[in-house]
Amino acid sequence: DAGVIQSPRHEVTEMGQEVTLRCKPISGHDYLFWYRQTMMRGLELLIYFNNNVPIDDSGMPEDRFSAKMPNASFSTLKIQPSEPRDSAVYFCASSLKGTGTTEAFFGQGTRLTVV
Amino acid sequence: DAKTTQPPSMDCAEGRAANLPCNHSTISGNEYVYWYRQIHSQGPQYIIHGLKNNETNEMASLIITEDRKSSTLILPHATLRDTAVYYCIVAKSGATNKLIFGTGTLLAVQP
Repeated sequence: DAGVIQSPRHEVTEMGQEVTLRCKPISGHDYLFWYRQTMMRGLELLIYFNNNVPIDDSGMPEDRFSAKMPNASFSTLKIQPSEPRDSAVYFCASSLKGTGTTEAFFGQGTRLTVV
Repeated sequence: DAKTTQPPSMDCAEGRAANLPCNHSTISGNEYVYWYRQIHSQGPQYIIHGLKNNETNEMASLIITEDRKSSTLILPHATLRDTAVYYCIVAKSGATNKLIFGTGTLLAVQP
């Protein structure tokens, strides 16, 4: 398996524009997580899904952020409208249920810069 | 989930063992100890996890104290490529399955 695949790797956009980040989890994994990482706040869990259903979105900073998982092999994180303070590295991760533990596999991240 | 406390940074000489401590004094009976690391500009990488017993895999060993209030990650022969931020995380098993990262320990392996 190629691992968790995120696209794009880098995104530069202007304030006010819509940004869509994409993630393809590892095939067969039941859980999908979106994290955001900044120098100031470290790695923050934004939202996670189980079997394509959002379970906990308490980490989503505000209504400008939305995440979807239309099927088991694809998820998006959308920011509309984007702001400079959204600049960060966004990571997607997936894990397999049933082991009773959480070994999550992370993608390489999308570095978002909002100017 | 229980909180963890780690030193912000540590140094280690190349080829020597790196021992990274973690305190988790409020850990509950159904919580596991996980270790992840993040090499610069990459996504976090799973290393090892444990519940009560010591664990070893090809990457590292995990020593958990008998009262489970602290643990140590051991990299037996550190290399320059082990320079990374190491995160100790305590998380419940089962349905919630979410990992909350703290600030971690920056391990610098020196030549």
